Amino acid sequence: QSVLTQPPSVSGAPGQRVTISCTGSSSNIGSGYDVHWYQQLPGTAPKLLIYDTTNRPSGVPDRFSGSKSGTSASLAITGLQAEDEADYYCQSYDNSLSGWRLFGTGTKVTVL
Amino acid sequence: QVQLVQSGADVKRPGASVKVSCKTSGYTFTSHGISWVRQAPGQGLEWMGWIGTDNGNTNYAQKLQGRLTMTTDTSTSTAHMELRSLGSDDTAVYYCVRVGSGNFPPAFDYWGQGTLVTVSS
Repeated sequence: QSVLTQPPSVSGAPGQRVTISCTGSSSNIGSGYDVHWYQQLPGTAPKLLIYDTTNRPSGVPDRFSGSKSGTSASLAITGLQAEDEADYYCQSYDNSLSGWRLFGTGTKVTVL
Repeated sequence: QVQLVQSGADVKRPGASVKVSCKTSGYTFTSHGISWVRQAPGQGLEWMGWIGTDNGNTNYAQKLQGRLTMTTDTSTSTAHMELRSLGSDDTAVYYCVRVGSGNFPPAFDYWGQGTLVTVSS
């Protein structure tokens, strides 16, 4: 049902840079709504990682960064670390009947 | 510090109802809305709805309308989520989340620990 599409998985070696895409449409990201990103470590509740497209909450390392262009957003992790192995979800608002708040389909990041 | 502490795991029969509570602390309860998010086993996150803690206004995901009720008790800074007519596809971990106060749409800045609801005969 989600209309924010993410790749199911991405992987990288320690120290590498990985990016996760979040593809939406004109009724959500393309309408200019901000995008948020959440990190879910195994067996735990999700945690806010990036808010308002580009901002990091206090305590989130600057290895994590967010951006947006057109109907898509991206999360980049530079200097990948073993502790970054987790599921990542984007989130935005949709002004259609399909959902008031949408989560992306989720991406599993594996550190090789 | 901000905390959202949820009620414990529950097992329900198909067709029954479940009510999950979320006690908050560390901030002014009526200054932030509360949303509920669920996650079926091995699946992604699904937004269920939102309640304004200052006025009780609600907005539910279309697929859950008619089965879902969110309420708050401002005297105890607690939010409640009740889901009726449970089916096996309602088996999930249910999270309460605090809605932040940034740009629209505000982010979900604090999460409860989650409550596992199992629907099984």
